[in-house]
Amino acid sequence: QVQLVESGGGVVQPGGSLRLSCAASGFTFRNWGMHWVRQAPGKGLEWVAVIWFDGNNKYYVDSVKGRFTISRDNSKNTLHLQMNSLRAEDTAVYYCTRGIAANGYYFDYWGQGTLVTVSS
Amino acid sequence: QSVLTQPPSVSGAPGQRVTISCTGSSSNMGAPYDVQWYQQLPGRAPKLLIYGNNNRPSGVPDRISGSKSGTSASLAITGLQAEDEADYYCQSYDRSLSGSVFGGGTKVTVL
Repeated sequence: QVQLVESGGGVVQPGGSLRLSCAASGFTFRNWGMHWVRQAPGKGLEWVAVIWFDGNNKYYVDSVKGRFTISRDNSKNTLHLQMNSLRAEDTAVYYCTRGIAANGYYFDYWGQGTLVTVSS
Repeated sequence: QSVLTQPPSVSGAPGQRVTISCTGSSSNMGAPYDVQWYQQLPGRAPKLLIYGNNNRPSGVPDRISGSKSGTSASLAITGLQAEDEADYYCQSYDRSLSGSVFGGGTKVTVL
C-alpha cells in the first residue's frame, strides 16, 4: 500500500533553515509528481510546492519563492523540501502528498505530517 | 483570505442531509478546472473524498457526493453520522497563481 512518511520537522529560530524529507513506498515513485502542502496551527490547508515526476519542473506558492526548494531523489524514493530564511508564518504541519495531474491536479495520498515551529 | 470560499461551519442532526458550498472564480473552477474535496478528522491528515468534481475514490460511501457548476461547487452528505464530524476542504487549480488553491475549510458538526 502507498505510504508517505515525513521527517525533519522541529523548532528553528527565525532566519534559520530546515530540510524536510518524505520517504515514499508502495508505488513507483519516479512516475509521480509530488507536492508539499502545509497547515498552520488551527488554520486551513495551503499548497506549497510541486515537483514533476522527473524533477525537471518545480513550482511554488508566492510566499515561499526564493526561500524554499523542492527536490527529489528517484533512486531513493525520497522527496525533500529545503527551507531557508524561515519566518514565524512558516510555522505549520507540512504534509507530503502524491499528485495526480488531471485538469489541474489533486492529492490522492497524504503522509502523517511533520511539524515545523519557527520561534525564538 | 482563501482563494476558494467556504462557509466556516454547517451542522445537522444524525440522518439529515448537509451541503457545503465552495465558490471560486474564472481563473480556477470557472477556467474550468476540476474541484476536489478532502475530509480531515481531528488530529489526522486530510483524506481525498471527491475528485474530478463528482467521483468517489474506492472506500468512500455513496452517501457522499459532489457537484460543480460554473464557478461554484458543493459537497453533500446524506444520512449524517457521528463519524462525519470533521473539517472539509475544497481544492482546485488556479491558472493565475499557477498552483493549487484550497478553500478555508468547513467544520461539520453532528448535533
